[in-house]
Amino acid sequence: AQKVTQAQTEISVVEKEDVTLDCVYETRDTTYYLFWYKQPPSGELVFLIRRNSFDEQNEISGRYSWNFQKSTSSFNFTITASQVVDSAVYFCALSEVTRRALTFGSGTRLQVQP
Amino acid sequence: DAGVTQSPTHLIKTRGQQVTLRCSPKSGHDTVSWYQQALGQGPQFIFQYYEEEERQRGNFPDRFSGHQFPNYSSELNVNALLLGDSALYLCASSLGGTGGDTEAFFGQGTRLTVV
Repeated sequence: AQKVTQAQTEISVVEKEDVTLDCVYETRDTTYYLFWYKQPPSGELVFLIRRNSFDEQNEISGRYSWNFQKSTSSFNFTITASQVVDSAVYFCALSEVTRRALTFGSGTRLQVQP
Repeated sequence: DAGVTQSPTHLIKTRGQQVTLRCSPKSGHDTVSWYQQALGQGPQFIFQYYEEEERQRGNFPDRFSGHQFPNYSSELNVNALLLGDSALYLCASSLGGTGGDTEAFFGQGTRLTVV
């Protein structure tokens, strides 16, 4: 069965620090998709990135970067030079091609202090 | 371009009552999925509707049911409410009734409190 683990429940950093959010997943499928979502206090889940299992190339988007390693079943998310607006709960999620559902981790609450 | 809209935003119900939550998908999307997010946890998949049919269901009892209308909007119904049904209910829309190969857009959710 599929599973996503986000071991860090809460992280607190000071503005401008770099922070990495960890995500480890389990799946028996060879084709799957990994996601990161941001959930601000308003509640809406904001899509950040989707990767498929055949694309291990790391990605950078502005201050955000993602490191996908199939060998360790990890899909970690780094925010460089964090800002107060980055404060939110971040979820890692997995979707197998045979299923229609997203399986979410329990989330990591990031607090960026000014 | 309107995103995913859900109504109502907040709701308080008594144990044993029934509740209906509503979702309008993003323009152009034909697939609606519902998730339950308990406080401090990640969202849990309830079910997905595509072409007015339930295509897949998560591990939720039959008290949870749904419907999709010809305009692709959807309802989530919960009967015989329990205290444990208190949660944020999120609706996600996507295209083509598929799985993770398409991006899902989420609404802001309905906060249900059962007392």
